[in-house]
Amino acid sequence: SAVISQKPSRDICQRGTSLTIQCQVDSQVTMMFWYRQQPGQSLTLIATANQGSEATYESGFVIDKFPISRPNLTFSTLTVSNMSPEDSSIYLCSTSEGNTGELFFGEGSRLTVL
Amino acid sequence: GNSVTQMEGPVTLSEEAFLTINCTYTATGYPSLFWYVQYPGEGLQLLLKATKADDKGSNKGFEATYRKETTSFHLEKGSVQVSDSAVYFCALRDTGANSKLTFGKGITLSVRP
Repeated sequence: SAVISQKPSRDICQRGTSLTIQCQVDSQVTMMFWYRQQPGQSLTLIATANQGSEATYESGFVIDKFPISRPNLTFSTLTVSNMSPEDSSIYLCSTSEGNTGELFFGEGSRLTVL
Repeated sequence: GNSVTQMEGPVTLSEEAFLTINCTYTATGYPSLFWYVQYPGEGLQLLLKATKADDKGSNKGFEATYRKETTSFHLEKGSVQVSDSAVYFCALRDTGANSKLTFGKGITLSVRP
């Protein structure tokens, strides 16, 4: 199974600033996914990141707010731009392996925006 | 579109009680079904899965059977422990290489000694 490391694990940010979350996988993977888990809510897919192409964003999420990079097959970043308190969430990176459909998750990055 | 519906929580049980967490789904294709668990302060982990109708997933004493006729994937455990206290998410992933995982809202289970 893939091992996924995220950083920062948590941060407290000021309104209007931006923060970049890094995701490192211990093996080469084709697709990486970024999810958001708002307080008391389920996980919502933000976007799918494939290496060498633009990320595909889900309805309600836009590149200007959540720019994503995928420079190689083991690494991705998600930036939360111009943050507001409503962006306070846990952001999770995940990837799938093989054809089982199973997703593996990082431990998440808990952001609090003041 | 695809959707997953979980029973409302939270759920509080005494140790050694029987657990059932209901999950039903709506999907256009033939999805794989999953239960993920999130222990306090940790990331999501796969608990069990089933990839086709009548499959039973099992792990750590938990079981869930893929019921196509009732579009359900209820999670059960015969005797819960305090260490089972966590948030449980039911999820589905439709067929296709680019299909995404759709999660239910999650339910918090607290087991008291």
